[in-house]
Amino acid sequence: KNQVEQSPQSLIILEGKNCTLQCNYTVSPFSNLRWYKQDTGRGPVSLTIMTFSENTKSNGRYTATLDADTKQSSLHITASQLSDSASYICVVSDRGSTLGRLYFGRGTQLTVWP
Amino acid sequence: EADIYQTPRYLVIGTGKKITLECSQTMGHDKMYWYQQDPGMELHLIHYSYGVNSTEKGDLSSESTVSRIRTEHFPLTLESARPSHTSQYLCASSDADSNQPQHFGDGTRLSIL
Repeated sequence: KNQVEQSPQSLIILEGKNCTLQCNYTVSPFSNLRWYKQDTGRGPVSLTIMTFSENTKSNGRYTATLDADTKQSSLHITASQLSDSASYICVVSDRGSTLGRLYFGRGTQLTVWP
Repeated sequence: EADIYQTPRYLVIGTGKKITLECSQTMGHDKMYWYQQDPGMELHLIHYSYGVNSTEKGDLSSESTVSRIRTEHFPLTLESARPSHTSQYLCASSDADSNQPQHFGDGTRLSIL
């Protein structure tokens, strides 16, 4: 069964600290892995997309890594800010159809305290 | 910010009413999607479209219907709303390239009394 599991479910950190969010997936065949940020009451916004051949991609203070062999990804946030408080969603796309079916994780709820 | 808009943002309405949730995008994307999201849960695909006059049901069974008469417009309709339809509905669009991200609207939070 194709699944995407994220951990931890929630995380509280102090402003200025770093953190790492985890994503494990069983989706096959694999096309790409995406990380989205979803602020409360807003739609998800894309942070990174990585294909099979990419093992790291950065977007400002966000760095995603991908290990396609172990089917794991992480999102590292450096020097956290209050505005980083949001849900971070891992999404994996398969190659099984023209649509490129997307499998969504339930997200990690990050809270940054001052 | 992506150019995809949903209206209304919030809707509280009684059981049995007909509802249309609007979604428009100005990016010229062929692919559009409707998702349902409950608090703390993953997004579930309920409808998608490859282009004009193309509509398909997604993974989650839904009593809603959609239409795609124009590229930029992808409305979702509930003919007779029920309390079980209470949820957040997110619209998204994407380029034809499957390695491009989906752009999401800010959603409609629907409450059926």
